[in-house]
Amino acid sequence: QKEVEQNSGPLSVPEGAIASLNCTYSDRVSQSFFWYRQYSGKSPELIMSIYSNGDKEDGRFTAQLNKASQYVSLLIRDSQPSDSATYLCAVNFSGQGGKLIFGQGTELSVKP
Amino acid sequence: KAGVTQTPRYLIKTRGQQVTLSCSPISGHRSVSWYQQTPGQGLQFLFEYFSETQRNKGNFPGRFSGRQFSNSRSEMNVSTLELGDSALYLCASSLVFQGGTDTQYFGPGTRLTVL
Repeated sequence: QKEVEQNSGPLSVPEGAIASLNCTYSDRVSQSFFWYRQYSGKSPELIMSIYSNGDKEDGRFTAQLNKASQYVSLLIRDSQPSDSATYLCAVNFSGQGGKLIFGQGTELSVKP
Repeated sequence: KAGVTQTPRYLIKTRGQQVTLSCSPISGHRSVSWYQQTPGQGLQFLFEYFSETQRNKGNFPGRFSGRQFSNSRSEMNVSTLELGDSALYLCASSLVFQGGTDTQYFGPGTRLTVL
């Protein structure tokens, strides 16, 4: 069983809509959660980190963490065509030092 | 602050050769992690170095090795290259706290092609 799972997509939303990206992780003590965005041919860039249960907002992005359900999500409000990319969920499990476990990524396409 | 830098950006090698990739972390970051990204396997953790010591290691064969210097710069080496080693190799740097990691920032990557 994979430790971090995401729907591979592609997820297609119209411009201006809310895009919802989901990630589940295995039942281990987890510490830190990260969302990265990766454009084709580029390296991952950080969107947001979240460490405790609840919501964390940064501009058009909101990360939601529910440790009891082993679930972390990313909402993108007012989606723009420039948001079209692959979104990677990463988890740092406790005691794993600097090891991030990544999901397979969800491809998002925002249609004008 | 300058970001993470990686050299070279592109490499073409043949099977059986070896290769060395270099990574310079963000100033002040003492942890450097390496990842391999392929279309089939996604992003997979190779190893992490902190204070010139390997702190964690992924499930890769011994052909993959690394080291870190006193200025936190890191290198990784792949010996006896195989076709399956063709991938994007990413380096990420972070501050570090006990037992875990702060946010990791990625470099642009080195695209390795093995012929």
